[in-house]
Amino acid sequence: AQKVTQAQTEISVVEKEDVTLDCVYETRDTTYYLFWYKQPPSGELVFLIRRNSFDEQNEISGRYSWNFQKSTSSFNFTITASQVVDSAVYFCALSDNTDKLIFGTGTRLQVFP
Amino acid sequence: DAGVIQSPRHEVTEMGQEVTLRCKPISGHDYLFWYRQTMMRGLELLIYFNNNVPIDDSGMPEDRFSAKMPNASFSTLKIQPSEPRDSAVYFCASRSDRLSSGNTIYFGEGSWLTVV
Repeated sequence: AQKVTQAQTEISVVEKEDVTLDCVYETRDTTYYLFWYKQPPSGELVFLIRRNSFDEQNEISGRYSWNFQKSTSSFNFTITASQVVDSAVYFCALSDNTDKLIFGTGTRLQVFP
Repeated sequence: DAGVIQSPRHEVTEMGQEVTLRCKPISGHDYLFWYRQTMMRGLELLIYFNNNVPIDDSGMPEDRFSAKMPNASFSTLKIQPSEPRDSAVYFCASRSDRLSSGNTIYFGEGSWLTVV
């Protein structure tokens, strides 16, 4: 069965600190996709990144980076030099051959000035 | 391109009333999903359609909930009769065929439902 675990419920940092959000997943499929979504205080769900199970290369996009490790079934998200605008709830999600997108419980990030 | 469009954005209704939430997916997307978000249960998949056909409705909480997709550009989620525990944010989302989209789902802004 699919499962996504985000053990960190809430993280608070001061602006310019680096922060890593953890995500651990479970699936029996060999082909799957992993995602991160951002939900700012305004409430919408914003797609950030997709990774497929065959591509373990880390990805960097500006201050954001993602570390995918199949050996530990993890897909962690790091924000470098955090800013107040990064304050949001971040969801990790998994999609395998069932077409469903299953979400973790989310990590609330608060960045203080 | 327009994203997923949901209406109404906010609705307050009295217990027992019928509620209809509407969704227009992104043009050309073959899949449409309805999710519900609550503090207690997080983001739950209620039902999804492929080419207007319901594929999996196992997440629909009970018979008071129904969803339809009469054509490729419109879907409704109906609650009748509504109850206070139905208060939540309801998201509609869509995606294109898997090979080109990698299962990436794009969400609407949500419909915030309050049942009093």
